[in-house]
Amino acid sequence: KQEVTQIPAALSVPEGENLVLNCSFTDSAIYNLQWFRQDPGKGLTSLLLIQSSQREQTSGRLNASLDKSSGRSTLYIAASQPGDSATYLCAVKANTDKLIFGTGTRLQVFP
Amino acid sequence: EAEVAQSPRYKITEKSQAVAFWCDPISGHATLYWYRQILGQGPELLVQFQDESVVDDSQLPKDRFSAERLKGVDSTLKIQPAELGDSAMYLCASTLSRGSGELFFGEGSRLTVL
Repeated sequence: KQEVTQIPAALSVPEGENLVLNCSFTDSAIYNLQWFRQDPGKGLTSLLLIQSSQREQTSGRLNASLDKSSGRSTLYIAASQPGDSATYLCAVKANTDKLIFGTGTRLQVFP
Repeated sequence: EAEVAQSPRYKITEKSQAVAFWCDPISGHATLYWYRQILGQGPELLVQFQDESVVDDSQLPKDRFSAERLKGVDSTLKIQPAELGDSAMYLCASTLSRGSGELFFGEGSRLTVL
């Protein structure tokens, strides 16, 4: 059974810092991995999608990597800003076509 | 920009009442998902549709929950009767294709059961 774990559960950093969020999964048989952002009380916004054949994806200040063999992904946020404060969720799409989520990392960036 | 539409955004109901949530996926998206997210946790799949057919409802509490997508476009999720433990965010998502497709989520429907 696929399990997704995110570390740390919460993170508080000063503005301007570069930071890394971690995601690990137990079964490497995945279609893709997706990173989402969720603001309090809101839905999920897709940030980056990495297909199983890819190693990384970049969008602006965000870079996500995927190492299928070790069951790991990282989300790198460069030059963090207070507007980046949110919960970040990773999810893997299993070969059952089901998206399985981690419990998220709650990020606070203070001025 | 195309969006997944959900309503209502908020619903407060009393235990044992019936509630219903509606979702309209992005136009052309054949696969539709309903997820439930309890506060502080990641979303968990309730039901997945491919067009009008249920692909996976293994985690749907079928004694009280039902879902339909009659014409393969919009979908309704119903709870009857609601219980205190059903208080959660109900999220709808859609994707253009199964397999490697990217999922897009709506804003969710927040349910509070008193």
